[in-house]
Amino acid sequence: DSGVTQTPKHLITATGQRVTLRCSPRSGDLSVYWYQQSLDQGLQFLIQYYNGEERAKGNILERFSAQQFPDLHSELNLSSLELGDSALYFCASSVEPADTGELFFGEGSRLTVL
Amino acid sequence: AQSVTQLGSHVSVSEGALVLLRCNYSSSVPPYLFWYVQYPNQGLQLLLKYTSAATLVKGINGFEAEFKKSETSFHLTKPSAHMRDAAEYFCAVNSGGYQKVTFGTGTKLQVIP
Repeated sequence: DSGVTQTPKHLITATGQRVTLRCSPRSGDLSVYWYQQSLDQGLQFLIQYYNGEERAKGNILERFSAQQFPDLHSELNLSSLELGDSALYFCASSVEPADTGELFFGEGSRLTVL
Repeated sequence: AQSVTQLGSHVSVSEGALVLLRCNYSSSVPPYLFWYVQYPNQGLQLLLKYTSAATLVKGINGFEAEFKKSETSFHLTKPSAHMRDAAEYFCAVNSGGYQKVTFGTGTKLQVIP
């Protein structure tokens, strides 16, 4: 158990809809990262937050947004969903500042868009 | 800029045989390097990490990796494969800064009984 909790574990929705994925980081971790894993794209970095502020942005679509709340949990919002958004979405957390960048991953939220 | 290249998306070995998963990195500064493992239906977990303390790094489950600066490589090895090693392995690099970790495309290891 990594200590990172993601909900829901599975989600099935239709094209055009909006969903919210939730992540609770390990106790004491200030940084939260979101990754998308799909068969054709591999593991893609989406966005990072540190203590409530956006720290780094990767290949995140404009239809997607995220935030980190004062209690450090984070939410990833996916809107106007398309079939291609079907993927496994991982949240990870880390201690910041850290000398190694080791990440602790949740078990992921599997999104299926029909 | 930093990047990681994993050679071979699929590797098959017999149980008891040597495991060798290849990783080459690119980084403008001395990097931190990682190997993560993902078992089916699970998240990634850290196998081992290189942080410049020693070039030969030992990890969990009998795995180790050697940092070779001249070859910009960080290959993962295990002397004897076990069925439970079947998983996907990701090499990753972090050149510091905002701690953005870049992952390779992954190598799926199949262990044949």
